[in-house]
Formats: sequence, C-alpha cells, structure tokens
Amino acid sequence: NAGVTQTPKFRILKIGQSMTLQCTQDMNHNYMYWYRQDPGMGLKLIYYSVGAGITDKGEVPNGYNVSRSTTEDFPLRLELAAPSQTSVYFCASLLGGLNEKLFFGSGTQLSVL
Amino acid sequence: AQTVTQSQPEMSVQEAETVTLSCTYDTSESDYYLFWYKQPPSRQMILVIRQEAYKQQNATENRFSVNFQKAAKSFSLKISDSQLGDAAMYFCASLLRYGGSQGNLIFGKGTKLSVKP
Repeated sequence: NAGVTQTPKFRILKIGQSMTLQCTQDMNHNYMYWYRQDPGMGLKLIYYSVGAGITDKGEVPNGYNVSRSTTEDFPLRLELAAPSQTSVYFCASLLGGLNEKLFFGSGTQLSVL
Repeated sequence: AQTVTQSQPEMSVQEAETVTLSCTYDTSESDYYLFWYKQPPSRQMILVIRQEAYKQQNATENRFSVNFQKAAKSFSLKISDSQLGDAAMYFCASLLRYGGSQGNLIFGKGTKLSVKP
C-alpha cells in the first residue's frame, strides 16, 4: 500500500544510547518531515527536507540528525538519548507544488529511561 | 520566523450546534498554505480543510468551513451541525511554498474539541 512507513512503532532506550528511526515513502514525494509530539501537545518540527540531499532544521533540532540520500528515505538519528526525548515521533511527506496533501506515518512511541 | 498560534486549548459544543476554532499565524512570506488537521485518539492525522493564501474565497468541505482573513493573519475553522465523531484534537498548520524556508510546515499547539450529546 502506498504511504509513509515508520519503524519501529515502539522503542525503549537507556540514557546515552543511540538509535535511528526509519521513514520511507513510496509516493515520490519531494518534501519529508520529522515531528515530535509530547503528551497533550502539538507537533514540533524537528527537521525537514525538500528533496534528496537537502535538509533543514525545524523548531527543535537539538539532539537529532537527519539525512536524505534518496527521495524515499528520511531517517532520524538520536545520539546520546536523554529523557527529554521521550515522545511520539511522526514522519510525514507531501508532494509539493500544487498537491499539498500531507501523509503521516503511524508514529513511533519512544521512551528514554 | 513562522509561527502558528491556537489560543483555545479546549472547546466544547453541543451535538448539532456550530463551533468555531481560532488560529492566528505569522509569516513574512506571501505564498503559503494553511491547513486544519484532526487527530482522534488513534493518533492518525486527518486533513480537514486547506486554504491557499492567494485565494480570497474561503475554503469549504461539507460541514467544515474556514474564515480566512489574510490581512489579520487569522484562519478560523467553523464546524456546523457538530457530530459526536468530530470530537478530537484539531491542529492549525502553515506551509511555506517558496522562499528561503520553502517547505517549512509547522503546527499550532492544538485545540481539544469535545462534543456533548
């Protein structure tokens, strides 16, 4: 099925560990995004990309890194995990241009203990 | 910098009545899109309605309509004939289409809507 695929769905990390959240879309979308959503709060933009090889910081980039080597993949790297990074992470994509429908992945629940 | 502000953390409406959710935004760019998204407890984000900044006509989608005031940078959502299934978190969002921050898409903090039977 076409859409945005995020893995894993759940993960528990220890303080100081690292991990990569995977995000893949098969719709040939130019724009991809990573957001975090804390309980009862809105979505905060971490990083975004408007095409392969191009990434930009969002509102809360500290503690995270991204890469966009292909149109399909936009992994999010957490280095030295901290309890403040406990959140639900969403990946999203949209085509750009005149079609601005945003597709979301199903989310990753991350706990840092 | 681009900002989106939702000043109503929670709203409540009686079933079949009308409710309006507020959103204000700020951007120095002239070409952008505005969205309202619904997030039920399942956490899925569902597009409710979108508005192109260059269009003066307010967007409508069935029971959902917006009041887009570009000069005031206001983008409110009106839900008519509210239904129990409308209960959810509603997020306002702004997408920059051109300029140095092209593609930047940010969300407000959300408004939790309750619908009373």
